[in-house]
Amino acid sequence: NAGVTQTPKFQVLKTGQSMTLQCAQDMNHNSMYWYRQDPGMGLRLIYYSASEGTTDKGEVPNGYNVSRLNKREFSLRLESAAPSQTSVYFCASRLRDRVPNTEAFFGQGTRLTVV
Amino acid sequence: SQQGEEDPQALSIQEGENATMNCSYKTSINNLQWYRQNSGRGLVHLILIRSNEREKHSGRLRVTLDTSKKSSSLLITASRAADTASYFCATKGRDDKIIFGKGTRLHILP
Repeated sequence: NAGVTQTPKFQVLKTGQSMTLQCAQDMNHNSMYWYRQDPGMGLRLIYYSASEGTTDKGEVPNGYNVSRLNKREFSLRLESAAPSQTSVYFCASRLRDRVPNTEAFFGQGTRLTVV
Repeated sequence: SQQGEEDPQALSIQEGENATMNCSYKTSINNLQWYRQNSGRGLVHLILIRSNEREKHSGRLRVTLDTSKKSSSLLITASRAADTASYFCATKGRDDKIIFGKGTRLHILP
């Protein structure tokens, strides 16, 4: 039982390049989330998906797109990477949306550097 | 803006002492959760307190919630070196989003 798996763990991009961060969970969770973590800023929500086929913007969605490919997978895409997107990205999942009292499970993070 | 704000930003205490961290939030909530993050790792859920609860215990952890003041506290008793980590509060906001605060960095001194 792997939980939440993120790939890659590390990535260096040049400004303007594109890439997709992958996230998969094997816990049959409905809700999935993408966060970025920067020093002194805590975790900020980029996008989330309450169920397969739906996505919604979080606190800092600009410069990102997401795809909820199926119930297991939720990918985050940077179309044209910028140095301001240098961060650690975390994917998380939760048992069911609309059920208020369940916790989120996190992946180990992707450390992205844009030069 | 972020839902939760932790206080203090950083805390250093001697091993064996108790550590208290506080969290304030802005809007109504269904629950409030506390997470721990060890350096370079993902977040791990510690404890969840529902909006109709005032206090909850789990091992050496004690969480309180005051919805009238929109605040919560996390108490770690008899601290250990392994408790050194960052601690975050998170609230379930609008549209079932989970919003985190900036965290408290806890350092346990030997």
